Amino acid sequence: SQQGEEDPQALSIQEGENATMNCSYKTSINNLQWYRQNSGRGLVHLILIRSNEREKHSGRLRVTLDTSKKSSSLLITASRAADTASYFCATDEPTGANSKLTFGKGITLSVRP
Amino acid sequence: DAMVIQNPRYQVTQFGKPVTLSCSQTLNHNVMYWYQQKSSQAPKLLFHYYDKDFNNEADTPDNFQSRRPNTSFCFLDIRSPGLGDAAMYLCATSSPVGRDNEKLFFGSGTQLSVL
Repeated sequence: SQQGEEDPQALSIQEGENATMNCSYKTSINNLQWYRQNSGRGLVHLILIRSNEREKHSGRLRVTLDTSKKSSSLLITASRAADTASYFCATDEPTGANSKLTFGKGITLSVRP
Repeated sequence: DAMVIQNPRYQVTQFGKPVTLSCSQTLNHNVMYWYQQKSSQAPKLLFHYYDKDFNNEADTPDNFQSRRPNTSFCFLDIRSPGLGDAAMYLCATSSPVGRDNEKLFFGSGTQLSVL
């Protein structure tokens, strides 16, 4: 089944810098979502972008979607140590009567104070 | 606050001993999901309920069963846990719009260890 692939697998930056994470997928989607997961905890929804949208903002988050390239990017501006976590993209794929949300393997972000 | 609650946070069981994980929600969402997540891997969908309709993923082992007695509660039963079933089990809920999945609300997860 389709699975978003994030890039890079791990990212280490200094506090205050911007963090850019990428996600690529293989087939058509209804929407693409980004989630965050702190170690040993559940996932928290960050932002959803629909297939007919190209860019969305939420606070320090900016997500873009290029359906022609089947890719998305998540930008976290002015990073903080508290942004240290794993970040997952998830693609909502049309499958028959309903749709299915499939997660990628995630990107480990470390923000150094 | 409305939320998704999983109990217990940590569960230890013995090889082959049945175990049940529980999930409850106060969001009144009609869809509930169970995901399995192994270390440094993507969460993998095991099955989900759309209201009372049960939807099993094709590659979910028969060892895994689920029950949803009402809107608020959902259970994951592992009939004969093997060492390979040690993982984080995540419950999530959503309220889809039409056929599209909107955002999922996750519980904190249950970390299952099999001895």
